[in-house]
Amino acid sequence: AQSVTQLGSHVSVSEGALVLLRCNYSSSVPPYLFWYVQYPNQGLQLLLKYTSAATLVKGINGFEAEFKKSETSFHLTKPSAHMSDAAEYFCAVSDLGDDKIIFGKGTRLHILP
Amino acid sequence: ETGVTQTPRHLVMGMTNKKSLKCEQHLGHNAMYWYKQSAKKPLELMFVYSLEERVENNSVPSRFSPECPNSSHLFLHLHTLQPEDSALYLCASSQDLSETQYFGPGTRLLVL
Repeated sequence: AQSVTQLGSHVSVSEGALVLLRCNYSSSVPPYLFWYVQYPNQGLQLLLKYTSAATLVKGINGFEAEFKKSETSFHLTKPSAHMSDAAEYFCAVSDLGDDKIIFGKGTRLHILP
Repeated sequence: ETGVTQTPRHLVMGMTNKKSLKCEQHLGHNAMYWYKQSAKKPLELMFVYSLEERVENNSVPSRFSPECPNSSHLFLHLHTLQPEDSALYLCASSQDLSETQYFGPGTRLLVL
């Protein structure tokens, strides 16, 4: 069965610092992996998606994530945090042919001035 | 109008009321979903529809009743809810099952 673990329910970084949000997955077959962002009072918005093409995936707003099969990880990074990045971030996994996406519990990112 | 829309955005109801949440997608997708998002709990998948047929029902109480009249519309009918049902209800759609899901803004529900 698929599962997703996001380490840290809250992460704080200073404006301009590196953002690193961790996600580990388990899947019996090569997975599809997603990162979504949720701003206050809004629905989830897709940041980026891995579908077995390039292992380094670039998304919107300067975010990227690297698929590492050996570590079963799909961590999200951004070189320089901006105040507008403050939001909740969700990692998700699905298997081709499955009927649902499994979401992690989310990580709330706080940006310190 | 594009994307996934949900109405109402906010809803307050008593435990004896009957109300419905509406979701509409303008993306030509074949699958639609209802999720419940409560404070301090993971996103909970409630219902999945593919080509207007329900394919997933994750042990949701019968006081929640979904309806998918066509591939563009999804409803969630609510009756005799409990205060613990207060949450953000999110609708999503995807081209097909397991494809990227696109979310609406959600309906913030408060049950008194």
